[in-house]
Amino acid sequence: DSGVTQTPKHLITATGQRVTLRCSPRSGDLSVYWYQQSLDQGLQFLIQYYNGEERAKGNILERFSAQQFPDLHSELNLSSLELGDSALYFCASSVGQGGNEQFFGPGTRLTVL
Amino acid sequence: GENVEQHPSTLSVQEGDSAVIKCTYSDSASNYFPWYKQELGKGPQLIIDIRSNVGEKKDQRIAVTLNKTAKHFSLHITETQPEDSAVYFCAASRNNFNKFYFGSGTKLNVKP
Repeated sequence: DSGVTQTPKHLITATGQRVTLRCSPRSGDLSVYWYQQSLDQGLQFLIQYYNGEERAKGNILERFSAQQFPDLHSELNLSSLELGDSALYFCASSVGQGGNEQFFGPGTRLTVL
Repeated sequence: GENVEQHPSTLSVQEGDSAVIKCTYSDSASNYFPWYKQELGKGPQLIIDIRSNVGEKKDQRIAVTLNKTAKHFSLHITETQPEDSAVYFCAASRNNFNKFYFGSGTKLNVKP
């Protein structure tokens, strides 16, 4: 158990809908990272927050957004969902801003029908 | 940006044999190289990492080597066991940067 929690574990929704994925980092970690893992694909970095502020952006679509709250939990919002958005979404946390070990949560499996 | 290539994509070995997974990277400024193991239905878990100021690091049956000149690093697993079966990912990042660039993964199958 990495100490990073993600909810929900599974999410099934329809095209055009909007969903919110939630992540709680390990105690003491200030950075939260979001990754997308499509079928048979590697991990694609989406976005990072550090202590409430956006720090780095990867291949995140404009339909996706994220935020980190004062209690350091983070939410990833996915809107106008398409079939191709079906994937595993992982959250990771680390103590610093970068170059540190990242601890991954168990992931949220999103299925868009 | 950084480009990390990983091979092979699949690797099948007999229990007790060694397994080697190789990664190359493109950004010479990258200086942190972690390896993650992902079991079915779980998130990736760090198994070993190496920074650019060392050439090799060992942890029991697992070792990682780094060749900065050639810009490649490798994961070595000795005396493989069935529980080593999983997908392994390499990654690269710069110390002060926040992005991890992951390889495409290697599915390791250890046959009993």
